Amino acid sequence: GAVVSQHPSRVICKSGTSVKIECRSLDFQATTMFWYRQFPKQSLMLMATSNEGSKATYEQGVEKDKFLINHASLTLSTLTVTSAHPEDSSFYICSAFVFGTANEKLFFGSGTQLSVL
Amino acid sequence: GENVEQHPSTLSVQEGDSAVIKCTYSDSASNYFPWYKQELGKGPQLIIDIRSNVGEKKDQRIAVTLNKTAKHFSLHITETQPEDSAVYFCASCGNQFYFGTGTSLTVIP
Repeated sequence: GAVVSQHPSRVICKSGTSVKIECRSLDFQATTMFWYRQFPKQSLMLMATSNEGSKATYEQGVEKDKFLINHASLTLSTLTVTSAHPEDSSFYICSAFVFGTANEKLFFGSGTQLSVL
Repeated sequence: GENVEQHPSTLSVQEGDSAVIKCTYSDSASNYFPWYKQELGKGPQLIIDIRSNVGEKKDQRIAVTLNKTAKHFSLHITETQPEDSAVYFCASCGNQFYFGTGTSLTVIP
C-alpha cells in the first residue's frame, strides 16, 4: 500500500512550547490529508482536513489557532501544536487519501505521541 | 451524520480459533468499508476493505462480509495467531470516513 511517513514518532516538551509534526506522502501525491487525535483506548477523533494550497477545515470544537495546519505541497502537511499544555498530550495521527478509479483508500502515518510536561 | 457501531469492544480467543468483529452503519450512501489494525503506539494499518458492489472479500486468513440491506459488515480472522493481537477499527465511508470504537483482540497462545 501507499506509504505515509509521520515524524517525529515521539516528542516530550515543556508547557508553553510549540511542537511541529510532519506528515509526508512518500510515493503518491496527497491533495487531501487528515489529522486525528487519539486518546488511550479510544477511537480516532478527526481534528481537521488539510487541503493542499488552501486553508484547513477544522472539526467543531478544535481550536484552529491552537492546532495550526499547513499543507504547502502535495506531499507534505504539518500540524503545529502552539503553546502546548499538558492537556494537549495525546497521540496524533495523520492520514492521506490515495485516489484511483473507484479505488480510493485511506492510509495512516505511524503516529506521534506528544507528552507535554 | 453517519453512526458506526462496533462490537465487541474486547475479544479473547485461543490461538488457532476464529475471531469475528461486527460493525453496523446508518448512512445508505456509504459505499466503502475498510478495516484497520492498530498495534500499540502505532498508526492504523489498512488490512482489508470492501466496496458496496461486493458481498465478500478474502485475503488469506482474513475476510470481510457486507450486508448492504441490513447495513452491517464483519471482519473474520481464521486460524488466529498471537501476532493478530491488536485493536481493530472498522470504518464506513460515503463523503467522509467514520470510524468504529475499536475492538481489542487478544489471541492467547
